[in-house]
Amino acid sequence: QKEVEQNSGPLSVPEGAIASLNCTYSDRVSQSFFWYRQYSGKSPELIMSIYSNGDKEDGRFTAQLNKASQYVSLLIRDSQPSDSATYLCAVKGAGNNRKLIWGLGTSLAVNP
Amino acid sequence: DVKVTQSSRYLVKRTGEKVFLECVQDMDHENMFWYRQDPGLGLRLIYFSYDVKMKEKGDIPEGYSVSREKKERFSLILESASTNQTSMYLCASSLRLAGDWEQFFGPGTRLTVL
Repeated sequence: QKEVEQNSGPLSVPEGAIASLNCTYSDRVSQSFFWYRQYSGKSPELIMSIYSNGDKEDGRFTAQLNKASQYVSLLIRDSQPSDSATYLCAVKGAGNNRKLIWGLGTSLAVNP
Repeated sequence: DVKVTQSSRYLVKRTGEKVFLECVQDMDHENMFWYRQDPGLGLRLIYFSYDVKMKEKGDIPEGYSVSREKKERFSLILESASTNQTSMYLCASSLRLAGDWEQFFGPGTRLTVL
């Protein structure tokens, strides 16, 4: 059974700090990795996708991928109260498998 | 921007009713998905479709069926609604192109079965 693991949290950080969210996956041949943000009562919204080892930056968000260690992380710099949400990690396996495997999400609270 | 719409934001039905949830996407995506999301259980895939009239079972297809007669539209059917199908239902779509697998979600339908 392919799995994606995330700490459920809540992760609590002060406003302006860096929030670090982690995700590990079990399928060694996974190729594509995604971070989604989900506000309470709303649907998931794509934040970042990453396909290659290393860092990918988009504004205040940085995704980091380490395929050898099978983990992907999301850093949020200068955290704002509006970043308070649940962050979902999703992983796609190799080949033409169209499905994503989802983690249960990490709840982030940014305190003013 | 990709736009995925769902027919209802909130729906209340009675046990035994037949329920139709509709999803429409406007970006010519080949793949469409139906999930349900429950506290503590995360997103669970019910069915997905990779082409018109094509469908594949997800992880929890029991009690559900789907229909895809047109590329932009994917319907989820609860043949005889039961209380354990009370949930948030989310539709998503994605392109088929290799390396482009991001899924984009509709706003969700919160279904309550009484």
